[in-house]
Amino acid sequence: GAGVSQTPSNKVTEKGKYVELRCDPISGHTALYWYRQSLGQGPEFLIYFQGTGAADDSGLPNDRFFAVRPEGSVSTLKIQRTERGDSAVYLCASSYPGGGVETQYFGPGTRLLVL
Amino acid sequence: AQKVTQAQTEISVVEKEDVTLDCVYETRDTTYYLFWYKQPPSGELVFLIRRNSFDEQNEISGRYSWNFQKSTSSFNFTITASQVVDSAVYFCALSEARGNQFYFGTGTSLTVIP
Repeated sequence: GAGVSQTPSNKVTEKGKYVELRCDPISGHTALYWYRQSLGQGPEFLIYFQGTGAADDSGLPNDRFFAVRPEGSVSTLKIQRTERGDSAVYLCASSYPGGGVETQYFGPGTRLLVL
Repeated sequence: AQKVTQAQTEISVVEKEDVTLDCVYETRDTTYYLFWYKQPPSGELVFLIRRNSFDEQNEISGRYSWNFQKSTSSFNFTITASQVVDSAVYFCALSEARGNQFYFGTGTSLTVIP
């Protein structure tokens, strides 16, 4: 079946602009995660959804970052007033609900460049 | 404090050599899960293996093998007879039972020279 898909694959924006990044998880996966990966680093957790609700948003760096998942499937990560430091690859992952810690399957990421 | 440490930043080997990638983790949980992912130049993280803290059996899958040792908090990954297609960045990750986020190491960039 299809894996996790993310759009756009690349996004270039100017400082101060608003951006939206989209994630479409694997069908049947109710858990969805967003991570941010800076150059030369491992992915860093941002937020986790179980169904429609954000079960853990402790990784969001500040209130410019917000994510939604209104119907429990597709999720959108929203960044307001972008800053150059927001430039990174934003990764989305999903997992099948098994009652415990489940393997996360990752999408190809969105490369965000803030000029 | 870093929960997952991958001390090797970059490794280069000649094709057909064996190579071991080190991973040391830190957690106070008695139940936890360890993972290895491969990130080729295309950028997508590819799942390789998952290990539970209560299962210390080593595992072999083709040319890949994993050595899990709780006594040293290590979960090392060995590639036997390396191939050029193994060139990628490899990440070790930890998940604690009381949370859902994965803690990733900084990755080891492996280059296999033909």
